[in-house]
Amino acid sequence: KQEVTQIPAALSVPEGENLVLNCSFTDSAIYNLQWFRQDPGKGLTSLLLIQSSQREQTSGRLNASLDKSSGRSTLYIAASQPGDSATYLCAVGYSTLTFGKGTMLLVSP
Amino acid sequence: GAVVSQHPSWVICKSGTSVKIECRSLDFQATTMFWYRQFPKQSLMLMATSNEGSKATYEQGVEKDKFLINHASLTLSTLTVTSAHPEDSSFYICSASGLADHSYEQYFGPGTRLTVT
Repeated sequence: KQEVTQIPAALSVPEGENLVLNCSFTDSAIYNLQWFRQDPGKGLTSLLLIQSSQREQTSGRLNASLDKSSGRSTLYIAASQPGDSATYLCAVGYSTLTFGKGTMLLVSP
Repeated sequence: GAVVSQHPSWVICKSGTSVKIECRSLDFQATTMFWYRQFPKQSLMLMATSNEGSKATYEQGVEKDKFLINHASLTLSTLTVTSAHPEDSSFYICSASGLADHSYEQYFGPGTRLTVT
């Protein structure tokens, strides 16, 4: 059974810092890895999707990498802003997704 | 990007009643729809997977007679919580995927907050 772990569970940084969120998974036979953002009481916003044949994806200040052999992915956020404050979820799977518990990020002005 | 809507966004119902939640793919045909439940400060847990025109596949521990799922068209799936109890209070999120681009990417709805009193 696939298990997804996200570290750290919570992170607080001052505005402007670069930061890295980590995601690890136990079964490397995945098709997709997705990073999502979830604001309190809201649904999910897809940030980046990495297919198994890819190693990284970039969107603006976000960069996600995938290393299937080690079962790890990282989400890099450059020049963090208070508006980046949210919970970030990592999910892996084929036709169904298994989610980690998320990293709660707080960026203070 | 693909848009998925849910209705209602929040609902309060009395214990013992049933409530229906709709999930719609607005600009694409969703061959598969997924229903998740999220308790406070927890991650999303998959409840069931439904393919259009077929019976839903439920995850272990999810009561299929309590959580009725219908996926009658390529743009609509419904989740009915029957005889709701306070412990069913949760945030329900649906997602949809189509095979048009072969990526299996899921597009998520905004969620429905259910409170059972």
